[in-house]
Amino acid sequence: EVQLVESGGGLVRPGGSLRLSCAASGFTFGGYSMNWVRQAPGKGLEWVSYISSDGRSIYYADSVKGRFTISRDNAKNSLYLQMISLRAEDTAVYYCARDAVGATLRFDPWGQGTLVTVSS
Amino acid sequence: DIQMTQSPSSLSASVGDRVTITCRASQSISSYLNWYQQKPGKAPKYLIYLSSNLQSGVPSRFSGSGSGTDFTLNISSLQPEDFATYYCQQSHSTPPTFGGGTKVEIK
Repeated sequence: EVQLVESGGGLVRPGGSLRLSCAASGFTFGGYSMNWVRQAPGKGLEWVSYISSDGRSIYYADSVKGRFTISRDNAKNSLYLQMISLRAEDTAVYYCARDAVGATLRFDPWGQGTLVTVSS
Repeated sequence: DIQMTQSPSSLSASVGDRVTITCRASQSISSYLNWYQQKPGKAPKYLIYLSSNLQSGVPSRFSGSGSGTDFTLNISSLQPEDFATYYCQQSHSTPPTFGGGTKVEIK
């Protein structure tokens, strides 16, 4: 069974940092590009970042560019999101999502999400 | 960035009703339009890709159509498990963008 499990969320003060992780299982992790997508409380979905299967191609939403860094460790079947200079508007559930089979920027499946709360 | 606009933002319907949700892109995206279903407290689920292709395991009462800038998601006969929020998303260009969502509620 394909599974994605996020961790690392929590409460952080504005200006603080946090590192999210996503553990993948049930598929050949190194063969798929991956994404982070977030959802502010009661709001819609916002794509955050993309990383190709080999880590060489990376994209960010303008809202996080320069503050967030996506990375992956294919040997550990893990995806990461390093977040610095956090703002209140970064408060959201963060989902990791695999690119669908044979696709780019189509998201399937998704993890259960991890909540990041930025507040003083 | 390509803006995606969904309508309506919410609707009330009864079990057995036919439901139609529309999604409009701010520029042509060919058929690079996908639909997701999200239930409260859960992650989104991939329903339809490239406008009209049902993901494996998705019931045939769901269908999608459209190309260019205008797209629709249809549910032919609404079932109790279909009450959820539906999002469209374009995968034509980076950044991928989502519509604001359509919440389907029980009448």
